[in-house]
Amino acid sequence: DVKVTQSSRYLVKRTGEKVFLECVQDMDHENMFWYRQDPGLGLRLIYFSYDVKMKEKGDIPEGYSVSREKKERFSLILESASTNQTSMYLCASSLRGGGGLYEQYFGPGTRLTVT
Amino acid sequence: GEDVEQSLFLSVREGDSSVINCTYTDSSSTYLYWYKQEPGAGLQLLTYIFSNMDMKQDQRLTVLLNKKDKHLSLRIADTQTGDSAIYFCAVRNTDKLIFGTGTRLQVFP
Repeated sequence: DVKVTQSSRYLVKRTGEKVFLECVQDMDHENMFWYRQDPGLGLRLIYFSYDVKMKEKGDIPEGYSVSREKKERFSLILESASTNQTSMYLCASSLRGGGGLYEQYFGPGTRLTVT
Repeated sequence: GEDVEQSLFLSVREGDSSVINCTYTDSSSTYLYWYKQEPGAGLQLLTYIFSNMDMKQDQRLTVLLNKKDKHLSLRIADTQTGDSAIYFCAVRNTDKLIFGTGTRLQVFP
């Protein structure tokens, strides 16, 4: 079974704190993703990594950075957390896509509250 | 860019059929997808349809694709309380998926 794990299910941080969200996958997938999920807005892509040390900005990268030092691990960093970053954060992974069926596998999510 | 839209809520009685609709603006996606998110969990691939098909049936699930109108739907027959979840349609753009806003399905007895 493909497994994507996230370091915390719930996290409460104060405004201005540096926040690390960790994601680990065990299927040797090349691609990893960080999404943010907000009611009525669906899933929005924050950052995408297609290989170790490689990254690409998604739709809403402002206020976030990422790190991928090892293939199985992809970290999302909030340099200075703000209240508008209170949200559900979802990590996903996938094989590099070809022409066939393409599937992303998701972790359970981290609900982050910034006070 | 690609835009994928869904209605936000659907409420059905247990045993009835549910139909969740999705429209997309432009897609060369070979497959179109439906993901399900149960309460407190991440998303999981529920079903998909190949772009040169009009319909796909998988037990209680029927996916309909109208490429001319860029409309995708998911029908759940005999809806059960365990089907209560958020359903996302998605299209593929290179190695990314573009997700709709999600439809929250509530099933009442």
